[in-house]
Amino acid sequence: AQKITQTQPGMFVQEKEAVTLDCTYDTSDPSYGLFWYKQPSSGEMIFLIYQGSYDQQNATEGRYSLNFQKARKSANLVISASQLGDSAMYFCAMREAFNSGTYKYIFGTGTRLKVLA
Amino acid sequence: DAGITQSPRHKVTETGTPVTLRCHQTENHRYMYWYRQDPGHGLRLIHYSYGVKDTDKGEVSDGYSVSRSKTEDFLLTLESATSSQTSVYFCAISDGLAGAVNTGELFFGEGSRLTVL
Repeated sequence: AQKITQTQPGMFVQEKEAVTLDCTYDTSDPSYGLFWYKQPSSGEMIFLIYQGSYDQQNATEGRYSLNFQKARKSANLVISASQLGDSAMYFCAMREAFNSGTYKYIFGTGTRLKVLA
Repeated sequence: DAGITQSPRHKVTETGTPVTLRCHQTENHRYMYWYRQDPGHGLRLIHYSYGVKDTDKGEVSDGYSVSRSKTEDFLLTLESATSSQTSVYFCAISDGLAGAVNTGELFFGEGSRLTVL
């Protein structure tokens, strides 16, 4: 079973509009973490935002916010006021802990966002 | 920026030859990871390390081995490269949840593009 699911392979958004990128997850670890990364065409992985499983409030970082719905196991990324520079691949990821005190990070397949002028 | 360097950044090799990719960090982070990125698959975990000489398999470990003889270096070896191992390989590091305010985010290297002919 997929641990992280991103159902939107590609999306378009008009410049200055908001866009939501979907992410659902599955885990039995009560203390997990959720991340979003951006990968522009240059290839580097850029950390955007983090949500801990015990965090009561949705995380926000500038124009990025994470719509965390724990009961639904979803962690959607919302980008407000899209800019041309937001065109990139976006990955949702989850950190799980294991009994040896290790952590694994599992990624979704990504959503390619194109911002239109 | 986290101090992570991968080498080589680009490599073309032939089927059946051994290949070693090196990941070097200057952050003294405990956890190190190797991922491969392929279109439609996102990032998939190959192997990871949770300390010197402590390593474990990820979801796509067949055909790969790793070693970590010191904190700063994590080597990924393809004993006999195949065309299916043509990919972009990312090293990533994390210090888990050490510290009072730590998201435990992954920091990535710039990636190594491997082509197996």
